[in-house]
Amino acid sequence: SQQGEEDPQALSIQEGENATMNCSYKTSINNLQWYRQNSGRGLVHLILIRSNEREKHSGRLRVTLDTSKKSSSLLITASRAADTASYFCATDTGANSKLTFGKGITLSVRP
Amino acid sequence: GAVVSQHPSRVICKSGTSVKIECRSLDFQATTMFWYRQFPKQSLMLMATSNEGSKATYEQGVEKDKFLINHASLTLSTLTVTSAHPEDSSFYICSAIFDTSGNTIYFGEGSWLTVV
Repeated sequence: SQQGEEDPQALSIQEGENATMNCSYKTSINNLQWYRQNSGRGLVHLILIRSNEREKHSGRLRVTLDTSKKSSSLLITASRAADTASYFCATDTGANSKLTFGKGITLSVRP
Repeated sequence: GAVVSQHPSRVICKSGTSVKIECRSLDFQATTMFWYRQFPKQSLMLMATSNEGSKATYEQGVEKDKFLINHASLTLSTLTVTSAHPEDSSFYICSAIFDTSGNTIYFGEGSWLTVV
């Protein structure tokens, strides 16, 4: 079964707007990561947040983690058309453990 | 930077034949690699964990005799789809653990398999 569940499933915004994507999970985790996938391509790692962290920034990305609610959010600020892709959250339960992916969110940024 | 390479990127095979997909870590050694399967517009489903020098660990519901995984060296894992059928058509992606903490994982570009 899917560990992570993202919402919304699809998001369409105008270039320049912010995009917020949410992910929920069911079991205790060690890390939560966000990945990006362009259509038909491999995954690109965006950011990792550890279970003892609450917020992390990387460029235009901001990730939050609420372990009490078992949820995370990914905020992309000042979106660009090139941000159009699918975004997945993935969780693990320890070092070298497998990643469990959510269903993914399809983000479309209109120029 | 670290790169994981998959080959072939696209392959078409006839029903009943076998096809091999390679996953290579190009500038680092990976004792653990993972194989995922992804159907269109769906998420990645872990198929198996590939461990160098030992047998792969398969996820529940994945047929080990159909999806043969070999991790013969620290830089190469192979997935062989045996006696392929049209329902095996999918996007197959591998990933490799880069560092000893296990937190940095790099993904290959994926391989499209079409069985006709």
